[in-house]
Amino acid sequence: KAGVTQTPRYLIKTRGQQVTLSCSPISGHRSVSWYQQTPGQGLQFLFEYFSETQRNKGNFPGRFSGRQFSNSRSEMNVSTLELGDSALYLCASSLRDSLSGANVLTFGAGSRLTVL
Amino acid sequence: GESVGLHLPTLSVQEGDNSIINCAYSNSASDYFIWYKQESGKGPQFIIDIRSNMDKRQGQRVTVLLNKTVKHLSLQIAATQPGDSAVYFCAERWGGGSYIPTFGRGTSLIVHP
Repeated sequence: KAGVTQTPRYLIKTRGQQVTLSCSPISGHRSVSWYQQTPGQGLQFLFEYFSETQRNKGNFPGRFSGRQFSNSRSEMNVSTLELGDSALYLCASSLRDSLSGANVLTFGAGSRLTVL
Repeated sequence: GESVGLHLPTLSVQEGDNSIINCAYSNSASDYFIWYKQESGKGPQFIIDIRSNMDKRQGQRVTVLLNKTVKHLSLQIAATQPGDSAVYFCAERWGGGSYIPTFGRGTSLIVHP
């Protein structure tokens, strides 16, 4: 079956712009999580969605937002981009939400954002 | 292993050797641990997991050891192959908290043919 699909794979933006990233989870997976990966900070949790509801949110400013649609597809948005937002944004899907117990995440290949 | 700044701890091994990748986790209340492998240009991929009520778990060519006394996790890879070259992350999950896995900084494994 198809894996987690993220689009676009690469994008370049300038400071002050906004960006929307998309994630299609594995068919049947209802939970989608987003992570930011940078060389300095590693993998940092952004948010988790389950059945269109945000279940958890990481320690990121309000410029970072997300949503999940009825088909479980998810988008995240970053407004007023800063240089420090340059990172690999990873989406992961799972069958259950994090509260349901041991839960393996299946990651997509990521969207590489460069902010100039 | 913990990273310093931009530099990941690196483990270099020869093809066919056994590799041991270490991870110190932070929360003594964490109840579930996972190892992920990330190859260049790809997202992290699940390798093996272990619950806190276990000390050891084996998979295909991989073994995870958990020492709760010193909050240490290790991943052993038998007969390491060039295809094992990647960055390896451990993740811990605290069942009494947000349940969201927290990832370590990662260790870069380089396998020389």
